[in-house]
Amino acid sequence: AQSVAQPEDQVNVAEGNPLTVKCTYSVSGNPYLFWYVQYPNRGLQFLLKYITGDNLVKGSYGFEAEFNKSQTSFHLKKPSALVSDSALYFCAVRDGGGGNKLTFGTGTQLKVEL
Amino acid sequence: EPEVTQTPSHQVTQMGQEVILRCVPISNHLYFYWYRQILGQKVEFLVSFYNNEISEKSEIFDDQFSVERPDGSNFTLKIRSTKLEDSAMYFCASSKAHSNTGELFFGEGSRLTVL
Repeated sequence: AQSVAQPEDQVNVAEGNPLTVKCTYSVSGNPYLFWYVQYPNRGLQFLLKYITGDNLVKGSYGFEAEFNKSQTSFHLKKPSALVSDSALYFCAVRDGGGGNKLTFGTGTQLKVEL
Repeated sequence: EPEVTQTPSHQVTQMGQEVILRCVPISNHLYFYWYRQILGQKVEFLVSFYNNEISEKSEIFDDQFSVERPDGSNFTLKIRSTKLEDSAMYFCASSKAHSNTGELFFGEGSRLTVL
């Protein structure tokens, strides 16, 4: 069975500082990994994905994520946080071996303060 | 920009009543999904639908649930006899291709409250 862990319920960072939101995964086959963001009272918005290729993936709004196979991690990063980045972030995984469901983590609330 | 739309945004119902949640996926998408998010908990997969049939479903998606694509644009989730524990935000999503190569586009959700 596939699973995702987001070990931090909340991450606080000052505006202008780099941010990291952590994610680790478990799948039986090759992982297909995704990050989504949820603003209050809104649906989930796609940020970026890793399917294959370069381990550093760049996505929307200046976010990037690094796939690390040995550590089974896919941490979300941004070099300089903005207050407007404050939202709920979900990591998701799909087993590349079959099926088409995404399994989401529990989410990490990012709070960026002035 | 095309988007997934869901109605109603919020529905309150009595336990045991039937509920239908409606979704209009993005027009050229082929795969459709329902997920739910119980308050404060993670987003859970319910069902995926392709070529007019269920392609995968979770253990949550029991006989109380059904999905349908009644016409060329709508995709519905029916809960036959609601229970208190069905209270959640229900998200519809669609994708052009399998979610491993194409990202899912989500609607803004329908909040279901069962009393």
